[in-house]
Order: sequence, then C-alpha cells, then structure tokens
Amino acid sequence: GENVEQHPSTLSVQEGDSAVIKCTYSDSASNYFPWYKQELGKGPQLIIDIRSNVGEKKDQRIAVTLNKTAKHFSLHITETQPEDSAVYFCAASKQGAQKLVFGQGTRLTINP
Amino acid sequence: GAGVSQSPSNKVTEKGKDVELRCDPISGHTALYWYRQRLGQGLEFLIYFQGNSAPDKSGLPSDRFSAERTGESVSTLTIQRTQQEDSAVYLCASSSTNSGNTIYFGEGSWLTVV
Repeated sequence: GENVEQHPSTLSVQEGDSAVIKCTYSDSASNYFPWYKQELGKGPQLIIDIRSNVGEKKDQRIAVTLNKTAKHFSLHITETQPEDSAVYFCAASKQGAQKLVFGQGTRLTINP
Repeated sequence: GAGVSQSPSNKVTEKGKDVELRCDPISGHTALYWYRQRLGQGLEFLIYFQGNSAPDKSGLPSDRFSAERTGESVSTLTIQRTQQEDSAVYLCASSSTNSGNTIYFGEGSWLTVV
C-alpha cells in the first residue's frame, strides 16, 4: 500500500522567512496530494491541494510543487507570519480509492 | 450544517467500558471517513464509507472497533471494552464528488481512557 514520508518533523523559522516541507510517496498510482494545517486542539484544515496533472499550484503565500517522476511533493510558505505556526500534514491518495494516507506531520514554529 | 460535526468533543471513560462517537458529515457528502490521531502523532486511517458500497474497514485495529453509517448521513464509531491505548482524538471527515472529492475534517472527539 501507499506510504508517505514527511520531513522535517520540526521546523523553526524567523518571521518573514520562507518555510519548506517535503514529502515523498511510494505508490506511483497516487494522483491527489493535499496539505492540511492543524492548530492545537482542532481538526486538520485543508490549505492547498494538487492533482497529478499539474506541477505547481499557488494560493497567495502558499504553494505546492509536485514531481511525479521522483514521487515527491513540497509545501512552500513565503513571508511567514506567527499565525502560520501549526502542525502541517501532507497526504496522498488515488482519486478512485479516496483513502488518504498521511505523513507524520511537521511542527512549524514562526519566531517573531 | 456548514461543516463536519462530531460529538462528544471530549469523553473520559473507564477502562473496560464501551464508548460511542458520533459524526454528522457535511450535507450531501456521500463519503465518510474515520481517522485516529494519538497525541503528537499523524492520522491513522480506520474506516471509509462510500454511498451504499461495502465499507473499507481495513484500518480498524481490532474487533473491539466497529462503525456504522445510516444511509448517507450520520455515522457512529463504537469502541468496546476500551483500553488505555485507545486514548486518542478520533477524527471524522467527509467528501463529495460535487466538492472535487476534497476531504473535510471535523474537530474530533478527544477520548481519554483511565
């Protein structure tokens, strides 16, 4: 079955700098890759997703890139702000199967 | 409602007791998922319902865990004879082909077994 590896497990950056979180997946049939942000005591919230027919997607300060050949995808957050501090999870699935397999999460801390 | 609703939000139970956790998916969402998240860990798939198809139960950790769904609405996750290792957040999510199959999560039910 699918296996998703995420790194780093923790990341600390200065406010205003960029943060990058990387994930690799094992199943070449996976074609949907969402990213979730989870704040303390809350459920995960979708922040951006990408499907395998595109290589990059942007939404304001957030972007995701996908390299299908290498089977890895990354989350990029620019101009980081204190409210970006949270745990971020990547996931992968085969569209038809729908079951998301999650990475282990990255705790991002933005230092003022 | 506007989002996935879960109840109770917090539950403390004694070891050996049974618990039921409820999930109300987003209206119209045909797919419903249960995930477990232990403290400081990632999300662990438990079970997936899609319409009237047989559920995918491949993630249920033992026969003490079961889940039901009434049509395309409410789901109940039942844990029998709870153990301390069952302490976790149980997250429900739903999706629909009309929403591009994007999966939306509820706030979770925090279960503590003492």
